[in-house]
Amino acid sequence: SQQGEEDPQALSIQEGENATMNCSYKTSINNLQWYRQNSGRGLVHLILIRSNEREKHSGRLRVTLDTSKKSSSLLITASRAADTASYFCATDMDQFYFGTGTSLTVIP
Amino acid sequence: GAVVSQHPSWVICKSGTSVKIECRSLDFQATTMFWYRQFPKQSLMLMATSNEGSKATYEQGVEKDKFLINHASLTLSTLTVTSAHPEDSSFYICSAHSGLADSYEQYFGPGTRLTVT
Repeated sequence: SQQGEEDPQALSIQEGENATMNCSYKTSINNLQWYRQNSGRGLVHLILIRSNEREKHSGRLRVTLDTSKKSSSLLITASRAADTASYFCATDMDQFYFGTGTSLTVIP
Repeated sequence: GAVVSQHPSWVICKSGTSVKIECRSLDFQATTMFWYRQFPKQSLMLMATSNEGSKATYEQGVEKDKFLINHASLTLSTLTVTSAHPEDSSFYICSAHSGLADSYEQYFGPGTRLTVT
């Protein structure tokens, strides 16, 4: 059962550029979370934004949430090759829903 | 798309009993399965990585003897919560990874809600 949908499905950028990925969902939520997954590894929690928040920062990460549009974006600034991974959004309203992920490749 | 199922969807058990949760990949072979738990309104936390035919790798702070993981086949991994206590009440989610080279794809199960009374 997956509610969040990320786009683009895949993204390739040069090191130093910014990467933006989006997530859309369908129902009201308590919070929205972004996770990162390196190939063959488990998910790592990046950032959580609550439904009453509009923007949140954590290091090079910036997350926005627009509950009226039921969408969120994750911005990674000054990308590094080590940021190459798959990024998932997940919404939490009684039950946990994951999107299908955005595959980010950062070219050195 | 690939489908991962979990059984049961929810379970209520008494303190001291053991509960087994199954995670199955229905239409693909999963060389790796991940087990997560989530407390209400909190983020998902990785518990362990389960590779078919080998012992699971547990994250720091996760008790191996408490949460027994078995990945006996390429389509089935089980998580057994032994001697469950109320603090084990949580939402448990598995995900399956096909293990294909350079593939980030993983597929999530619908989760199992465990309540220990």
